[in-house]
Amino acid sequence: DADVTQTPRNRITKTGKRIMLECSQTKGHDRMYWYRQDPGLGLRLIYYSFDVKDINKGEISDGYSVSRQAQAKFSLSLESAIPNQTALYFCATQVEGDTGELFFGEGSRLTVL
Amino acid sequence: QKEVEQDPGPLSVPEGAIVSLNCTYSNSAFQYFMWYRQYSRKGPELLMYTYSSGNKEDGRFTAQVDKSSKYISLFIRDSQPSDSATYLCAMGDYKLSFGAGTTVTVRA
Repeated sequence: DADVTQTPRNRITKTGKRIMLECSQTKGHDRMYWYRQDPGLGLRLIYYSFDVKDINKGEISDGYSVSRQAQAKFSLSLESAIPNQTALYFCATQVEGDTGELFFGEGSRLTVL
Repeated sequence: QKEVEQDPGPLSVPEGAIVSLNCTYSNSAFQYFMWYRQYSRKGPELLMYTYSSGNKEDGRFTAQVDKSSKYISLFIRDSQPSDSATYLCAMGDYKLSFGAGTTVTVRA
């Protein structure tokens, strides 16, 4: 089983719908991140969390919210999806410290029509 | 201007060639520099990690950091078809800034 599991892997939805992407991890890491990947733009940080009580905005948090339900679970929500939120979304975990290594899930491809 | 610039390619080389990838950056405070490899329909995986300036070698892979020029490089020697992937540079500390990624194809 994967250390970082994302569900769903693929989702097609319509403008205005609420969508939740879920992430769970078995690595035991406290730090968790949500990124989106777009062609030509690379990975951009949406939100990150250092523990259950700590939530921080990244560079592109508008239109998104998150919930850290437990150390192992970090969910990303789009309250009212719009077409420019069509992207590949990645959850990642990180060991505490400044080394920076991220452990990514396999991604959730979201299409908003 | 983006904080990290990386030519997205694509780059196509014959098997056995040397692949040269690079990124430039603007934030002089960056201390940790990484290269991630991403296969199609997979998440990125850490390939090389370097702290501050200098070179690091791991098998066929060499990472170089030149902080004075704000320039990092990744070299792949004796490239193999299995090296075909997207390579992303990343830098920072706990919050990483990523380049756009360069897609590399190694032709058999």
